[in-house]
Amino acid sequence: AQKVTQAQTEISVVEKEDVTLDCVYETRDTTYYLFWYKQPPSGELVFLIRRNSFDEQNEISGRYSWNFQKSTSSFNFTITASQVVDSAVYFCALSEDNQAGTALIFGKGTTLSVSS
Amino acid sequence: NAGVMQNPRHLVRRRGQEARLRCSPMKGHSHVYWYRQLPEEGLKFMVYLQKENIIDESGMPKERFSAEFPKEGPSILRIQQVVRGDSAAYFCASSTWGAGGDEQYFGPGTRLTVT
Repeated sequence: AQKVTQAQTEISVVEKEDVTLDCVYETRDTTYYLFWYKQPPSGELVFLIRRNSFDEQNEISGRYSWNFQKSTSSFNFTITASQVVDSAVYFCALSEDNQAGTALIFGKGTTLSVSS
Repeated sequence: NAGVMQNPRHLVRRRGQEARLRCSPMKGHSHVYWYRQLPEEGLKFMVYLQKENIIDESGMPKERFSAEFPKEGPSILRIQQVVRGDSAAYFCASSTWGAGGDEQYFGPGTRLTVT
């Protein structure tokens, strides 16, 4: 069965601290895709990154970086030098390579609060 | 280049009424997904549609809920005889191919409140 676990429900940090959001997934497929989305207080969902199961290279985009490790079924997200604007709920999601449809399976999210 | 549009953004219904939520996908997208976000929970898949076809409705409650995506016009998620437990945020997403890993672009959501 497919499953995404975000064990951290809430994290609070002070501005400029680094913070890592954990994501562990379960799937039986060898081909799958992992995503991170951000949901700011305004409520919309903002796409951050997509990774396929064959690409384990870590990715960096500005202050954001992602660490994908198939050996531990994890896809962790790090924000460096956090800012107040990073305060949001962050969702990790999984989709499988299914021709019938590609529903995203979401974790329950991690609420990040960054204070000044 | 408009993104995914959803309306209304907020909807209040009394118990027993019907709720209709609309979703216009991004231009060029013919695949639509509906997700529900209950309070304190993540998003749960409900249904996946292509034009005039329901492809996967494995996440839809068996009763009172239906969805359509007609040849012309927006996709509609319809909830009949709403109950308080239907209060949630409903998100629509669209994609180009519907294939594995295809990026889904989300709309702003419709917040349904049942009184």
